[in-house]
Amino acid sequence: QLQLQESGPGLVKPSETLSLTCTVSGGSISSSSYYWGWIRQPPGKGLEWIGSVYYSGSTYYNPSLKSRVSISVDTSKILFSLKLSSVTAADTAVYFCARGLITNYYDSSAYYYFDSWGQGTLVTVSS
Amino acid sequence: DIQMTQSPSTLSASVGDRVTITCRASQSISTWLAWYQQKPGKAPKVLIYKASSLESGVPSRFSGSGSGTEFTLTISSLQPDDFATYYCQQYNSYSRTFGQGTKVEIK
Repeated sequence: QLQLQESGPGLVKPSETLSLTCTVSGGSISSSSYYWGWIRQPPGKGLEWIGSVYYSGSTYYNPSLKSRVSISVDTSKILFSLKLSSVTAADTAVYFCARGLITNYYDSSAYYYFDSWGQGTLVTVSS
Repeated sequence: DIQMTQSPSTLSASVGDRVTITCRASQSISTWLAWYQQKPGKAPKVLIYKASSLESGVPSRFSGSGSGTEFTLTISSLQPDDFATYYCQQYNSYSRTFGQGTKVEIK
């Protein structure tokens, strides 16, 4: 049974860098069948995709966050990580990690949806 | 960027009702659309992928349809466990976007 678990500081100061890790258990992070993604949800609001990473290290980011985001994968430790720099109060949210199941490939594009999610971790940006 | 617009934002219904939620994309996404259910304090759970394919383990009262820019999620007979917020999400482009959500409340 696949499990994803987010971990990291629950409180980050404004202008600093938010760092989270998602540990994967019960499955392989090195499989060519999956992407691995981060999604966030501000309190009382909707879901926002932050970005995704492939086991090879290829990444795709939300254009609105691209200048501040970095996602990486460590296949030896079976985890992937999120870094979001220069945070403000607007970055306060529950952060979810998720597995993206690839169902189709066309023209070198991978089509995947998020089929398994971590429980989420609340990160508050405040001094 | 592809924008996703759901309607309605809130829906009041009774147990046993047939419920339909609509999701519109700002440009064609073929059938690259997923629907998720989220309950308070929990992670989203996928119900439908590729617009109309039922995820394993999801009750058959959930169904999805549509292609191009207009999609629907239908619950054929609303059950007490179905009161939740529902999100559509496109995965046609390298970027992924969610709709703003539809909260299904008890009437």
